[in-house]
Amino acid sequence: NAGVMQNPRHLVRRRGQEARLRCSPMKGHSHVYWYRQLPEEGLKFMVYLQKENIIDESGMPKERFSAEFPKEGPSILRIQQVVRGDSAAYFCASSPGTVLSNQPQHFGDGTRLSIL
Amino acid sequence: QKEVEQDPGPLSVPEGAIVSLNCTYSNSAFQYFMWYRQYSRKGPELLMYTYSSGNKEDGRFTAQVDKSSKYISLFIRDSQPSDSATYLCAMSAGELSFGAGTTVTVRA
Repeated sequence: NAGVMQNPRHLVRRRGQEARLRCSPMKGHSHVYWYRQLPEEGLKFMVYLQKENIIDESGMPKERFSAEFPKEGPSILRIQQVVRGDSAAYFCASSPGTVLSNQPQHFGDGTRLSIL
Repeated sequence: QKEVEQDPGPLSVPEGAIVSLNCTYSNSAFQYFMWYRQYSRKGPELLMYTYSSGNKEDGRFTAQVDKSSKYISLFIRDSQPSDSATYLCAMSAGELSFGAGTTVTVRA
């Protein structure tokens, strides 16, 4: 998983607080994807971004969740007013192009979010 | 019904055995098929990537895709204890859809 950097690796928040998860893609990659993984479940797609644009957010909960990928700096997944059900591992992946351009996604080691 | 079905196992085999993993899917629009390996507390690591029916081999790993049956497989030959991990199938017609993962233990 060298290249895709996620921080923090572990994040603890109390109910009602905000959680900010950061992802720096591999060098040369301009496409970023966020996934959520719950215990005993596979990864669930949340959102797909290119620089300054949200391409597909069909997997994002409609409330409290937002994502951005600014021109400069890492991509940010933001969860407002966290609840216990938000506890999960959140993974970021990046690719130089879309999957349709025959370029697969490479993953970071995730941020494990725990809500007290 | 889930788009991608994968038996979660767990699967336990002795060292040197062949590990056989598989996934079925329902969306005929899937064009790209991947297998990822995930160690505990780590992110998924891409093992195999293919977009056509047939076999693809890479060292001890062979990926098999049968689009007519909507079935993909991963075989690991001469399995080692270091192969103990969770294996995730993934497929795409745009965004990635993952199976739930199969936990494999290779006993020394």
